[in-house]
Amino acid sequence: QSALTQPASVSGSPGQSITISCTGTSSDVGGYNYVSWYQQHPGKAPKVMIYDVSNRPSGVSNRFSGSKSGNTASLTISGLQAEDEADYYCSSHTISSTLVFGGGTKLTVL
Amino acid sequence: QVQLQESGPGLVKPSQTLSLTCTVSGGSISSGGFYWTWIRQHPTKGLEWIGYIHYSGSAYYNPSLKSRVTILVDTSKSQFYLKVSSVTAADTALYYCARGRDANTYLDYWGQGTLVTVSS
Repeated sequence: QSALTQPASVSGSPGQSITISCTGTSSDVGGYNYVSWYQQHPGKAPKVMIYDVSNRPSGVSNRFSGSKSGNTASLTISGLQAEDEADYYCSSHTISSTLVFGGGTKLTVL
Repeated sequence: QVQLQESGPGLVKPSQTLSLTCTVSGGSISSGGFYWTWIRQHPTKGLEWIGYIHYSGSAYYNPSLKSRVTILVDTSKSQFYLKVSSVTAADTALYYCARGRDANTYLDYWGQGTLVTVSS
């Protein structure tokens, strides 16, 4: 299975909005509404921020939102804060009943 | 609050078998809706899904690792296990265990991770 495609890095200033894309195929992202997004700070385990394309787990800020169109999913962070600086990974359920991750995107808050 | 904790040797010699244990607390490993999962992260790299096991014993593996990976579960000990055979330096990574939800669609609880180095 091939990794999903994410930009290596994105950046934004405090208060701005940024969007991270995640592109797959019809066998994963495009075929299921099972895309999730994870935030990972240095030295920490990943934390789920979005599941099932656009659902937020309890306790996750509503500044985080997710969407999908065709084979591409997106994570949007609005009102950017310094604490949002981290690596972000998308993941999708696949036609083989496996999970596949994206390569990760480093978010820098300027 | 569900907690997962990885344990096992931090150093494994090339060609040997890597063996890790994940201990689950604060929730039942035998609940039907969960998929007990292993993920690894190579140094300064992204996440790689290794596979999962359901408490019933059914397991799915990453096709790229399937020939060398086995995941087992012991519900009486609330533990599940990862074995990777014939390891090489390419298996050096931070290994995480996690709980998969809803037919293996996302991972809601993660362990802190354990670093395994393959070296002679």
